[in-house]
Amino acid sequence: ETGVTQTPRHLVMGMTNKKSLKCEQHLGHNAMYWYKQSAKKPLELMFVYSLEERVENNSVPSRFSPECPNSSHLFLHLHTLQPEDSALYLCASSQGRGFEQYFGPGTRLTVT
Amino acid sequence: RKEVEQDPGPFNVPEGATVAFNCTYSNSASQSFFWYRQDCRKEPKLLMSVYSSGNEDGRFTAQLNRASQYISLLIRDSKLSDSATYLCVVNRGSYAGNNRKLIWGLGTSLAVNP
Repeated sequence: ETGVTQTPRHLVMGMTNKKSLKCEQHLGHNAMYWYKQSAKKPLELMFVYSLEERVENNSVPSRFSPECPNSSHLFLHLHTLQPEDSALYLCASSQGRGFEQYFGPGTRLTVT
Repeated sequence: RKEVEQDPGPFNVPEGATVAFNCTYSNSASQSFFWYRQDCRKEPKLLMSVYSSGNEDGRFTAQLNRASQYISLLIRDSKLSDSATYLCVVNRGSYAGNNRKLIWGLGTSLAVNP
């Protein structure tokens, strides 16, 4: 399935590195989301973009910086991360907020 | 009380069994409900939406009980491939204004054994 794609699929980075996660949706949706999923925890919503405007930021540390240049693309810029930031980062999109979301395969991030 | 609660399981059932999961939600104004399936180390995938009248898709049946504020998922004739975590998702409130947010449960783990 190629509705929502994410790159890279795996990423290992040191605490001083800067990297970016990329998400692209091919579904014509107008809302995009970044989630974090750690072991034994529910999905944690990080950011929501609706019509390219950030409408939600759930107390996410500033070392995570989202960017939405258009309705099809979403980035998550990472810098000076901590080991506890190691997790699966999932991008999703939907047609309208509060409606069913479709996910990309995720980026499994390990911070060393 | 959590906004969305699920029994984490695991539920261990033999092939061919019928298994049911419940999920309770706290916001009585919630309007939309979904079941997602998540395989190990994979992304969640929409299994089915849950409608007021209940709905069925093959071996899967979803029900909504607004009075008691829970939704259920019934799986009949379980297959090995049904082994996964089933996530309950609830819209936090009405569609008006900015109150549109999906709240995710922790998930119920199902293992179907040969």
